Amino acid sequence: DAGVTQSPTHLIKTRGQQVTLRCSPKSGHDTVSWYQQALGQGPQFIFQYYEEEERQRGNFPDRFSGHQFPNYSSELNVNALLLGDSALYLCASSLFAQGAFLAGANVLTFGAGSRLTVL
Amino acid sequence: AQRVTQPEKLLSVFKGAPVELKCNYSYSGSPELFWYVQYSRQRLQLLLRHISRESIKGFTADLNKGETSFHLKKPFAQEEDSAMYYCALYTGGGNKLTFGTGTQLKVEL
Repeated sequence: DAGVTQSPTHLIKTRGQQVTLRCSPKSGHDTVSWYQQALGQGPQFIFQYYEEEERQRGNFPDRFSGHQFPNYSSELNVNALLLGDSALYLCASSLFAQGAFLAGANVLTFGAGSRLTVL
Repeated sequence: AQRVTQPEKLLSVFKGAPVELKCNYSYSGSPELFWYVQYSRQRLQLLLRHISRESIKGFTADLNKGETSFHLKKPFAQEEDSAMYYCALYTGGGNKLTFGTGTQLKVEL
């Protein structure tokens, strides 16, 4: 099992452009979450997808959007890029938890990330 | 709103010395706490979760609801423990985790 795979690993964009990042979850997982990790910071939750719908969203503007496909893979789209969007974007897969403390749930498996640089 | 605080950006200890990485959280309900670790050139990965009450690689963490803390401890540090450690909080409803800013542990010989 390759675990969570993300592409591309690195990319450089200019302000105002748009970017699409891709993620394939770990085998057996049905939920994909995206996190932004700025330099020197912990990961910050962007949103979560389950059953092809956005289920939860963090404090990020509408410029950040996503999609989940029937095979559970996911895309993160960022429009109108700003310099401040430069960060490592992490994808994490897991089992969906309706409530708290389900066995095996809430444990995130992370990908290696996509490093976005906005010039 | 929930919050996780890791007061130390960098913790440097000698090999064989005890280690304590501090984590405090802010949440009024019943939290679920995790420690994630990132070794050099590796992915962020789960180290341990409080509901499992387990010891992983010699590390333990006890949830103290009175002090709202979940400190990570190891009695004798090893060189291979050098890594970035993140404390994370889950408060229910989906799989959103709130992470702290992380503590870089450096174990010196």
